[in-house]
Amino acid sequence: DAMVIQNPRYQVTQFGKPVTLSCSQTLNHNVMYWYQQKSSQAPKLLFHYYDKDFNNEADTPDNFQSRRPNTSFCFLDIRSPGLGDAAMYLCATSRVREPLEQFFGPGTRLTVL
Amino acid sequence: GQNIDQPTEMTATEGAIVQINCTYQTSGFNGLFWYQQHAGEAPTFLSYNVLDGLEEKGRFSSFLSRSKGYSYLLLKELQMKDSASYLCAVVDSNYQLIWGAGTKLIIKP
Repeated sequence: DAMVIQNPRYQVTQFGKPVTLSCSQTLNHNVMYWYQQKSSQAPKLLFHYYDKDFNNEADTPDNFQSRRPNTSFCFLDIRSPGLGDAAMYLCATSRVREPLEQFFGPGTRLTVL
Repeated sequence: GQNIDQPTEMTATEGAIVQINCTYQTSGFNGLFWYQQHAGEAPTFLSYNVLDGLEEKGRFSSFLSRSKGYSYLLLKELQMKDSASYLCAVVDSNYQLIWGAGTKLIIKP
């Protein structure tokens, strides 16, 4: 089945220790997104890619970086995680044209100790 | 600014009907999504409206009025598994999704 895969599902890191979250997709969608979601809040868009074109949201902290080496894979790097970065990180994909539905991976729950 | 408003929490009884409302103010409009999100899981697609009117899909229906900036999600014959958060999201003029904070729906036996 075509899908969006995220690894790991749960990640524990120490304050200040870099961490990388990964996302892969078999849907062959052009657009990939990284969201941060905290409890009872809306997903917050961090970045998105139209193919290799990178789009950084204005309020995304510099501590967050992203890479998309090819159509299928996308990575989220958190250079120096703080306690406030503990959240669920969601990867999603979509087509460029309608339907614009976003397909989500299962998410990575990040804990910062 | 852009804004999506939904009630924070609603409670309903198993077997009943519930309507979750969403109002929006966005820069442009290119469609509205409803997603379901169970606790600790990713959102899953429920419905998409781009024209005014009602879209029905099994027990779930979604309504849109663009002139009023208003949508609702109607859930019929509620089941315990429908306990989840329901997120309204609008596609703005830049084709970006603007998300509401979600409505937590609690189903009681």
